[in-house]
Amino acid sequence: GQNIDQPTEMTATEGAIVQINCTYQTSGFNGLFWYQQHAGEAPTFLSYNVLDGLEEKGRFSSFLSRSKGYSYLLLKELQMKDSASYLCAAAGKSTFGDGTTLTVKP
Amino acid sequence: DSGVTQTPKHLITATGQRVTLRCSPRSGDLSVYWYQQSLDQGLQFLIQYYNGEERAKGNILERFSAQQFPDLHSELNLSSLELGDSALYFCASSVEVDNKAFFGQGTRLTVV
Repeated sequence: GQNIDQPTEMTATEGAIVQINCTYQTSGFNGLFWYQQHAGEAPTFLSYNVLDGLEEKGRFSSFLSRSKGYSYLLLKELQMKDSASYLCAAAGKSTFGDGTTLTVKP
Repeated sequence: DSGVTQTPKHLITATGQRVTLRCSPRSGDLSVYWYQQSLDQGLQFLIQYYNGEERAKGNILERFSAQQFPDLHSELNLSSLELGDSALYFCASSVEVDNKAFFGQGTRLTVV
């Protein structure tokens, strides 16, 4: 994705915690989205951060630092069904990062 | 169900042909986006419309065109198709430009 960087792949164990990072260099920043996409399916919305700090939503949390151009998605108590691609996207730019493929192992 | 409807779900066509993909956004959403996703690739932004007007253009080929109609549904036209155009094509919609987007289930295009 244009000016959006994420790790390509990550592996974690069921029940563990994993942090997926996203850095962006986009101008005119209006906020950052996180989406989840299972293979062959449509992306689904997870979170939106426009202000600095942590937004918690159940097992998933998202953090934003505007000054550092940095965000992360934190997944707790990992389940097998969390195996998917996680995409970050800059609001107003319509472009996504290439996604991080997370594999959760038993 | 996201509320975004895409038709057809699957499409198989020959090289050189032209196809039209259709998208009905969620009720009340004014913005429509089109994305292309090739096998094991990321989402490539093609084009965005807002209330009938083109708002942003991404990596859309000249062989591709789109429009948003007065009833807000959108169509993506792909012409002179090549094998490399085989992909999942997603449509998404949002209320406004910077709002979260809801994705349709996609149209899987196979060019043979």
